[in-house]
Amino acid sequence: NAGVTQTPKFRILKIGQSMTLQCTQDMNHNYMYWYRQDPGMGLKLIYYSVGAGITDKGEVPNGYNVSRSTTEDFPLRLELAAPSQTSVYFCASKKTEGGSYGYTFGSGTRLTVV
Amino acid sequence: KNEVEQSPQNLTAQEGEFITINCSYSVGISALHWLQQHPGGGIVSLFMLSSGKKKHGRLIATINIQEKHSSLHITASHPRDSAVYICALRDFGNEKLTFGTGTRLTIIP
Repeated sequence: NAGVTQTPKFRILKIGQSMTLQCTQDMNHNYMYWYRQDPGMGLKLIYYSVGAGITDKGEVPNGYNVSRSTTEDFPLRLELAAPSQTSVYFCASKKTEGGSYGYTFGSGTRLTVV
Repeated sequence: KNEVEQSPQNLTAQEGEFITINCSYSVGISALHWLQQHPGGGIVSLFMLSSGKKKHGRLIATINIQEKHSSLHITASHPRDSAVYICALRDFGNEKLTFGTGTRLTIIP
């Protein structure tokens, strides 16, 4: 199994450009998440999804959009990139609510907005 | 909002030493996660705890719900244990985790 796959690994954007960060998991996990990690700070939740067709905002959703048309894919869209969105982005998944299941993380996307 | 504090922020130890990393929080939780972030940036989930103690290989995680405190222990530490260790709290009734800022562990051969 590949687990959680994120692409691209690195990207440099100019202010105002748009892009989509891709996230795919092959573990049939219902729950998927997008986090951002800023230097010296804890991860912050951007958006999450509890299943196909269902998404919800996290702590820091402004400037981002998501969709969940399939169980496997959870892309994160940046419409008008701003320097404040320079960060490392992690996608994660989990099998179900609560229980004894941990999270599986992707390897991250390092985004720089200039 | 739950406040999470990890200590120490940085820890350097010799290979073979017993390591303890602490995580304290302010409000009761449904679960606490310990994560390991490798120098290359990848994040691995180590433990999920709601009570008691769990062990996996040389790693042991404990949680005291009454004292709102968890510890991660590493026995017989090895340079490959060098990483940032992060605790994350899951509140009751929602999917949002509150993350600590991590403890950077360096094991010297």
